[in-house]
Amino acid sequence: EVQLVESGGGLVQPGGSLRLSCAASGFTVSSNYMSWVRQAPGKGLEWVSVIYSGGSTYYADSVKGRFTISRDNSKNTLYLQMNSLRAEDTAVYYCARDGAIVATTTGGTPGPSFYWGQGTLVTVSS
Amino acid sequence: EIVMTQSPATLSVSPGERATLSCRASQSVSSNLAWYQQKPGQAPRLLIYGASTRATGIPARFSGSGSGTEFTLTISSLQSEDFAVYYCQQYNNWRRTFGQGTKVEIK
Repeated sequence: EVQLVESGGGLVQPGGSLRLSCAASGFTVSSNYMSWVRQAPGKGLEWVSVIYSGGSTYYADSVKGRFTISRDNSKNTLYLQMNSLRAEDTAVYYCARDGAIVATTTGGTPGPSFYWGQGTLVTVSS
Repeated sequence: EIVMTQSPATLSVSPGERATLSCRASQSVSSNLAWYQQKPGQAPRLLIYGASTRATGIPARFSGSGSGTEFTLTISSLQSEDFAVYYCQQYNNWRRTFGQGTKVEIK
């Protein structure tokens, strides 16, 4: 059974740092495409970042240069290192396992998010 | 960035009635379009991918259609458990984007 369990959320001051973890079971993180998606209180979903099985990483413009997605193959865990946090980063952060590559006009991209964790709340406030 | 626009923002429907939700992309996303359902306090759940393929375990009353820039999610006969917020998402490139959501509420 596929399971994703996020942890590491909490209250942090503006300008601070936090590292989120997403422990996976039932599959191998390094063989899959994994994403982070966030949801500000009362708002919609916002894609944050993706890591490909080959190691390539991509970020939303809103977090590029501040957030880093990574994985630890020995722990089968996905991470999101968040630096220089701002009030607008306050959200529930979900990790997700994406589908296999689908064909696009520019080559290929991971499929949609088939499996989601329960989310972890990050609050950025003084 | 591809902008996804959903309409309406809120849809009031009686149980047993049909609900039709729309999603428009600012440029073609081919059939690389997914629909998610989210209930309060829960993670999103994938309903439809490839614009029209139901995910595992999703009831047949949910159906998706469209390609290019215009997409539709239809719930043929609303059940009590279907009242939720629905999001479309394009994954035609790595910079995937969501619509702002449509809330389906009880009329």
